[in-house]
Amino acid sequence: DIQMTQSPSSLSASVGDRITINCRASQSISGYLNWYQQKPGKAPNLLIYGASGLQKGVPSNFSATGSGADFTLTITGLQPEDSAAYYCQQTSSSPWTFGQGTKVEVK
Amino acid sequence: QVQLQESGPGLVKPSQTLSLTCTVSGGSISSDYYYWSWIRQPAGSRLEYIGRIYSSGTTDYSPSLKSRVTISMDTSKNQFSLTLTSVTAADTAMYYCARDAPMIQGVKPYYAADLWGQGTTVTVSS
Repeated sequence: DIQMTQSPSSLSASVGDRITINCRASQSISGYLNWYQQKPGKAPNLLIYGASGLQKGVPSNFSATGSGADFTLTITGLQPEDSAAYYCQQTSSSPWTFGQGTKVEVK
Repeated sequence: QVQLQESGPGLVKPSQTLSLTCTVSGGSISSDYYYWSWIRQPAGSRLEYIGRIYSSGTTDYSPSLKSRVTISMDTSKNQFSLTLTSVTAADTAMYYCARDAPMIQGVKPYYAADLWGQGTTVTVSS
């Protein structure tokens, strides 16, 4: 299985800040990388597909880059409603696997 | 709009079989290009793919669960189901059904879970 490792595991930032979350695959996955946001008690919500494609309805302050094995999710102009866990997922090879998540707290 | 809803018992005894159903409304599970998936998440842990079924009925399971998992679909009811046998406490989790759709980025399709059910909690305990 392809292992997905996110860093940091958690972070705390202030309203208006810019944050980045990293995701590294144990082998190259080309651009087969998705990002999800999950709020407590809710199902995950797709933010980014194909490493950099913004899902419809997702605010433009979310962006992502990367290819191969290293990927980054960036949130600019952080808002209180961005408090959530963020997960990366590879769909390069089965079984599709997720990172362990990054918990973001907005102060 | 397409919606997914999980249903099934919230408590299963050890060594017994867990059975969940996902009812899809607002769209057909027979539509081409979509996978219909089961994903679980133990409390405080990462998401884990259990497996998926394509509109043609082809299935793909996580190797770690393959010996215990069956995913099937009932097109007449627009439902797909998960069966997990010989459960243990390690199978206690929130179980989600989801639709994996091809999302076009550039010229290539990339599959992503664009729709999810609300999830159902399953506890394995005697």
